[in-house]
Amino acid sequence: EAGVTQFPSHSVIEKGQTVTLRCDPISGHDNLYWYRRVMGKEIKFLLHFVKESKQDESGMPNNRFLAERTGGTYSTLKVQPAELEDSGVYFCASSQMDTYGYTFGSGTRLTVV
Amino acid sequence: AQSVTQLGSHVSVSEGALVLLRCNYSSSVPPYLFWYVQYPNQGLQLLLKYTTGATLVKGINGFEAEFKKSETSFHLTKPSAHMSDAAEYFCAVSHTGANSKLTFGKGITLSVRP
Repeated sequence: EAGVTQFPSHSVIEKGQTVTLRCDPISGHDNLYWYRRVMGKEIKFLLHFVKESKQDESGMPNNRFLAERTGGTYSTLKVQPAELEDSGVYFCASSQMDTYGYTFGSGTRLTVV
Repeated sequence: AQSVTQLGSHVSVSEGALVLLRCNYSSSVPPYLFWYVQYPNQGLQLLLKYTTGATLVKGINGFEAEFKKSETSFHLTKPSAHMSDAAEYFCAVSHTGANSKLTFGKGITLSVRP
């Protein structure tokens, strides 16, 4: 089966611009998660979808971040406007309901200059 | 609040030597514990997990970890390191079990010397 796919793999944007990251989970996985790793820090939870619904968005840093999962399939994470501190690697992960441990994508490395 | 501590940022071992990566956690409820590995330019891959039952858990690539409640530890070991084990390793704890978010440690980079 195909794994979790993330687009783009790298993105360099200027401060104040908008960037949209995309995640395609494994087919049939109702759970979809976004995590972020800022340079030198821990991987931090951002939010969790169950199908198209936001189950937990307690990790979203501020209202410049908007996540969607239309139709319960792929998800997008938009940052608008981007700030320097948004730089990092954004990981997406998915899992079937009631399983332990997820499958992660390779991540999108976002650099804001 | 739950937390995970991985002491140090880098471990170097010789090929064939024992690998020991330490992980300590704090949790107000019985934890679900995980080890993930990230090879260069790849995503995180689940190595092994502890949910319930046997406290010694075996994972992929010859790794294993033992859950020790009294020590709040979940250290990762492998008897004999291979060059292909060079990667970054993350310990994580789940807040409430299946479907829930993970809290990660800072990660530790393993280097293997020939």
